[in-house]
Amino acid sequence: DIQMTQSPSSLSASVGDRVTITCRASQSISRYLNWYQQKPGKAPKLLIYAASSLQSGVPSRFSGSGSGTDFTLTISSLQPEDFATYHCQQSSSPPYTFGQGTKLEIK
Amino acid sequence: QVQLVQSGAEVKKPGSSVKVSCKASGGTFSSYGISWVRQAPGQGLEWMGEIIPKPAIANFAQKFQGRVTITADESTGTAYMELSSLRSEDTAVYYCAGRTLVRGAPTPYYYGMDVWGQGTTVTVSS
Repeated sequence: DIQMTQSPSSLSASVGDRVTITCRASQSISRYLNWYQQKPGKAPKLLIYAASSLQSGVPSRFSGSGSGTDFTLTISSLQPEDFATYHCQQSSSPPYTFGQGTKLEIK
Repeated sequence: QVQLVQSGAEVKKPGSSVKVSCKASGGTFSSYGISWVRQAPGQGLEWMGEIIPKPAIANFAQKFQGRVTITADESTGTAYMELSSLRSEDTAVYYCAGRTLVRGAPTPYYYGMDVWGQGTTVTVSS
């Protein structure tokens, strides 16, 4: 199975900050990487697919990049509603494994 | 876009089985692959498997082979996930999630899972 590792596991930031979350795959997955946002008690929400394509309706302050084994999710200017947990998922081969999640908290 | 509504919370004894349903509305059921993803308390997400309702092809993570059954009833637009031989480690929130079936996509999950159910809490306790 492909192992996905996110860093950091948690992050404190302020409204207006630029933040970056990293996801690393245990083997090359080309650009087959999706990002989800999850708020407490809620289901995940798709933010980005194929490493850098923004899902319809997702604000443009979210962006993704990377290929091969290393990927990043960037939020250019944090808004209050962005404080949540972020998960990466590889879409290269089954089982379609997730990272352990990165919890973004208010500083 | 389709909406997914799951069945209610369950409390089960170790060794028993649980069956969770996921009903689609507002869209074409057969246009989606329905996955099951679980999340243990305080943990990350875990992909369990999926079904393509038409022609009812199911795939599972090796970890759950022999214990999980995923089915779909196209007539009612409902997918089901049954997990047997339950143990305490199966205590989790179980989500169904839909991915739009796109002909010619580079990989099945290339476009991600873009619609999710609300989650079903399954508690396994003696």
